[in-house]
Formats: sequence, structure tokens, C-alpha cells
Amino acid sequence: AQSVSQHNHHVILSEAASLELGCNYSYGGTVNLFWYVQYPGQHLQLLLKYFSGDPLVKGIKGFEAEFIKSKFSFNLRKPSVQWSDTAEYFCAVKTGSGGGADGLTFGKGTHLIIQP
Amino acid sequence: ETGVTQSPTHLIKTRGQQVTLRCSSQSGHNTVSWYQQALGQGPQFIFQYYREEENGRGNFPPRFSGLQFPNYSSELNVNALELDDSALYLCASSPGLAGLKEQYFGPGTRLTVT
Repeated sequence: AQSVSQHNHHVILSEAASLELGCNYSYGGTVNLFWYVQYPGQHLQLLLKYFSGDPLVKGIKGFEAEFIKSKFSFNLRKPSVQWSDTAEYFCAVKTGSGGGADGLTFGKGTHLIIQP
Repeated sequence: ETGVTQSPTHLIKTRGQQVTLRCSSQSGHNTVSWYQQALGQGPQFIFQYYREEENGRGNFPPRFSGLQFPNYSSELNVNALELDDSALYLCASSPGLAGLKEQYFGPGTRLTVT
């Protein structure tokens, strides 16, 4: 079974700092990759996704992620964070097997706190 | 456009009881997935319903069961509740099979088993 590892459970940054959250998955075949965000008191919402094509994907609110197949990684980045980026961030993977019937496998999440 | 809604918001049950959680999918979405999110963990896939049939299941025992109705709303039923079933239960809908299409999550139902 596939698994997803998020390296940092808690990250504290100051406003305007650059952000990189790590995500690694364990599956050697075709994958679909996602980053979800949960702002305080709100639903999980999609930040960005990778299905195929350009491995550098751009999402909402200035976030981007790079799929590196050789490293089984899909790290999330933002060049300059804002206080409003304080949230829980989840990496999720869907493998190519099962034809879409397997659901998503999520990492444990990274709690990001941005200090003003 | 109405998003995914779930009811109830919070629920307290006693060990051994049964519980039913409800989810209304977003308009136009024919797939509903259910996830369990324990405290401090990421969501774990329970199962998925596509066009009223179970289509994919995670590593959860048979006492977790579900239904999807013709209007694509869904129920999650859990029998013989255990203390470890205490968690946030998330419903997500998509306009196609999960993982192939973007999923839209509801606010969740917080279940506490005492």
C-alpha cells in the first residue's frame, strides 16, 4: 500500500519568508498528486494538483509544487508567505492502480504558523 | 452553487451503539467519498460511492457501511461503535471517480464515542 510522508509536522515562519513543505510518497507507478489546505475553522480545500505534463504546477494564492519522479517527491513552495497562510497543509496521493476507486492517501499534515 | 454539507455537526455516542452520518454532495457530482480523520492525523479513506454503488474501500472493517441515493447524497453507518472510532468524519464529492477528479470536502461530523 502506498504511504505519504510529510517531513515537518509544525513549521513557524515570519511574514515574507519563503516556504517549502516536503512531501514524499512510496509508489513506483503512475501517481496523481495533490496539496490540500485547511484554514482555521474552514473545510479542506484544494491548493493544487498534478496529473501529468509540466512537473511544476501552480495553484491558488501563489503556491506552487514540483513533482520530481526520481525522488518520489512533491514539495510545496511559496516565495513569500503571509499571515493568512497560517493553516494545516496536507499532501495526498492517488496511485494509478484501481482506476480511480482507491481514494486518496493523505500525509499526516503540516501545521504552518506565520508570525506577523 | 451549494457546496458539500454534512449532518450532524457533532455527535456523542456510547460504545456499542450505531451511528448514521449524512452527506449532501455538491450539485452535479456523482461520486462521494468518506474519510476518517483522527486527531493529529491526515484523513484516511473509508470508501467511495459512484452512481449508487460502492466503488473502492480502504482498510476499514465491515461494520463501516454506506449508501448512496439517486440524488447522490450519501450515508455512512458505523455499527458496534468502539472508542477508537472517535474522529472527524469527512465527506467529499467529485464529478467522477476520486483521484481522477478534484474532490470537494464538507465541514465534517465530529463523532465522540464514550
